[in-house]
Formats: sequence, C-alpha cells, structure tokens
Amino acid sequence: NAGVTQTPKFRILKIGQSMTLQCTQDMNHNYMYWYRQDPGMGLKLIYYSVGAGITDKGEVPNGYNVSRSTTEDFPLRLELAAPSQTSVYFCASSFPRGTADKPFFGPGTRLTVL
Amino acid sequence: RKEVEQDPGPFNVPEGATVAFNCTYSNSASQSFFWYRQDCRKEPKLLMSVYSSGNEDGRFTAQLNRASQYISLLIRDSKLSDSATYLCVVLSGAGSYQLTFGKGTKLSVIP
Repeated sequence: NAGVTQTPKFRILKIGQSMTLQCTQDMNHNYMYWYRQDPGMGLKLIYYSVGAGITDKGEVPNGYNVSRSTTEDFPLRLELAAPSQTSVYFCASSFPRGTADKPFFGPGTRLTVL
Repeated sequence: RKEVEQDPGPFNVPEGATVAFNCTYSNSASQSFFWYRQDCRKEPKLLMSVYSSGNEDGRFTAQLNRASQYISLLIRDSKLSDSATYLCVVLSGAGSYQLTFGKGTKLSVIP
C-alpha cells in the first residue's frame, strides 16, 4: 500500500490564483481530513469527510472547498489564494473505530502565496 | 484556555538520558489520547496511544491522569534518532475529526 499520497509537494502561488491540492489513499479508509500547519503551531482541521459524497467544515474552512466523489480521493481547492494561506497542508485518513480511531498522514504540500 | 497545551521546549538532552514530556487538556470529556512524532518538514506519525492504565512500548512509556487532565511521555535511554517534535493529541468526541493537536515539544538528543 502507498498509504496517503499528496501532490504537489511544493507550490508557489500568486495572490488571487487558484489551485487544487490532491490527496489519495489506498487503504479503503472511510474518513479523510485536511489539516494545515503553520510554523510553531498545532495542526488545524480545515475540512473532513466521513465517506464519499459527505463533507463537513472543520475549524478553519474559510477560503477552501473540498469534494469527495470517491472513497480514495479528497481534493482541497483554494479559489483565491491569499498570503494567510501560506502553510503546510496535510491530508490524512482513518478507518473509524470509535475512540481507537487514529489518522494516518500524507507527506504534506508546502504552499507559499506571494 | 488552550485546549491542549504542551511545553514547546526545546529539550536538549545527551544520548542515554531519560526525558519526560507533559501535556494538559482542558476538555474533561476527552476520550482518547495519543502521542505523535513529527520529524522536521515531515508528516506526523503515530507513536503510541495512551491508556488509563499506562502503557509501554520499548523505551517509551505513556501515562494518563484523567483527574488532573494530564498526559505524559517518558523516553528512556535517548537515541539521536529520537530527535523530533512530539505532538500530544486528544480526541474529544465520537469521531476522529474531533482530534485536537498540541503545538508539540521539540526534542534534540545530543551526542
């Protein structure tokens, strides 16, 4: 299994540009998540999905959109990039086991908005 | 009050030393607790779950004190490869989307 894969690894955007961060998992996990991690800060949940066709907002959803058309894929869309979105983005997935549920993370996408 | 609070460090310790990290959480209804390890510029990886009875995995021991809302991680016989940031993670609801991550404690093991 490849686990959780993310593309691209790095990206520089200009203010106002758009992009999609890709995330794929091959573990047949129901739950998928997008987190952002700013320097020296804890991970913040942007969006999550409990299954194909179902998504919900996390703690910091503004400026982002997601979709979940398949179990494997959970892309994150930035429509109008802003400098405040400069961060490292981690996608994660898990198989729900109640309180034993623990996410597995992808390698991250480092995004800089200038 | 921060939901999950950790001493940011850095903790600089010599090889072979024993080091302990502490974490406090504010939600008394929290159900599950984990320690993740994050290497520089890498993704977080699960180190171990934390159980009320305490649990050990080789050189690593995790403890939970629900009454004090306090979690600890003890690393014995520190290795250079233990250098990383250790994240305290708390699950406060029925779904893992309700995980709260601490900011992490940085450990540097020095030769």
